Amino acid sequence: NAGVTQTPKFRILKIGQSMTLQCTQDMNHNYMYWYRQDPGMGLKLIYYSVGAGITDKGEVPNGYNVSRSTTEDFPLRLELAAPSQTSVYFCASTRDRSSYEQYFGPGTRLTVT
Amino acid sequence: GNSVTQMEGPVTLSEEAFLTINCTYTATGYPSLFWYVQYPGEGLQLLLKATKADDKGSNKGFEATYRKETTSFHLEKGSVQVSDSAVYFCALSVERFSGGYNKLIFGAGTRLAVHP
Repeated sequence: NAGVTQTPKFRILKIGQSMTLQCTQDMNHNYMYWYRQDPGMGLKLIYYSVGAGITDKGEVPNGYNVSRSTTEDFPLRLELAAPSQTSVYFCASTRDRSSYEQYFGPGTRLTVT
Repeated sequence: GNSVTQMEGPVTLSEEAFLTINCTYTATGYPSLFWYVQYPGEGLQLLLKATKADDKGSNKGFEATYRKETTSFHLEKGSVQVSDSAVYFCALSVERFSGGYNKLIFGAGTRLAVHP
């Protein structure tokens, strides 16, 4: 079991560029999440998904898009990158709605200059 | 609203010292409380949890007790090791009754550095 994997580990973008952060889990979890972690701050939820084909906004969705075509994959799309999107991005998953423990990927460190 | 407040770091200790990291919360209803740990270069991992008042969560020598009267969930360890150096996050979970998911609300994190 690889758990939750994320690619890439690091990325530098220029302002206005776009990219997709990949997230895959092999635990057959229904619920998946994208967070961003800014220095000195807790994690903020960007988007989440309760199953294939179903996504919804979290606390800070502006500037991002997601899709969930399979149970395993939950990519996060950044359109028109801005310096404010410089952050560490974490993907996480849980088995179902009643599960308390979220399983996290190792993160993607993104810098927008 | 719901929120979590942790003591600011970094916390620097010598090996075998006693550790306390304070965490207080504000929540409506009856949240579950968690401590997550983030080792360098890794994602967050659940360290321990408590789902109701007076419960004590414990794991790897760490403990925390859910205190409803003081709205606190302080993390303690009697004797820290260098390998405990990490960032520790306190979090609470609030169930969304309208469906969706059990939302996790995180504190800002406290960095712990343990020196030999």
